[in-house]
Amino acid sequence: GQQVMQIPQYQHVQEGEDFTTYCNSSTTLSNIQWYKQRPGGHPVFLIQLVKSGEVKKQKRLTFQFGEAKKNSSLHITATQTTDVGTYFCAGTGANDYKLSFGAGTTVTVRA
Amino acid sequence: DAGVIQSPRHEVTEMGQEVTLRCKPISGHNSLFWYRQTMMRGLELLIYFNNNVPIDDSGMPEDRFSAKMPNASFSTLKIQPSEPRDSAVYFCASSFGGGGETQYFGPGTRLLVL
Repeated sequence: GQQVMQIPQYQHVQEGEDFTTYCNSSTTLSNIQWYKQRPGGHPVFLIQLVKSGEVKKQKRLTFQFGEAKKNSSLHITATQTTDVGTYFCAGTGANDYKLSFGAGTTVTVRA
Repeated sequence: DAGVIQSPRHEVTEMGQEVTLRCKPISGHNSLFWYRQTMMRGLELLIYFNNNVPIDDSGMPEDRFSAKMPNASFSTLKIQPSEPRDSAVYFCASSFGGGGETQYFGPGTRLLVL
């Protein structure tokens, strides 16, 4: 099955700054999903991207699916303390049923 | 509408004891997943059920782990005997479809084996 890699593993951000986390797959994906896990919590679904080159926004969060459907990114603008947590990407291969999770990017925010 | 329900939320046990974790998926969902999360290994898929049938148990660590889904509204993950290295957060998740759809996670069971 496919492997999904995320970078960076940790992201320390000054409040108000922007940052981007990246997700890369070894194979073409049929879709990519993003989840957020707050400290002490459980992963919560944020969004799904299906189309090549698709871009979706949720307030200060911008999600993008690469043209080749092998990578994705999450960009957060004007980071707030509420953005603290671990962001996971998860993808399903074109010929696979399984949703493979990346290792996550853990975000901390300096006030 | 209730989300995925897991019990217990916390479990502390001694090495060698049997541990049973329980999960009630969201009504109508036909896929159920058990995950284990640790700092060292991240989020690992242990087993995946579809329509109550185990489809992929390749992530189950060893024979000490077993999972059952006797009906569409209940699943258990059993560890017997438990070992300190089993200490982790165990999540149950459910979805509607064949496995690649959006997954809804339960709150998790925090297991500590002494």
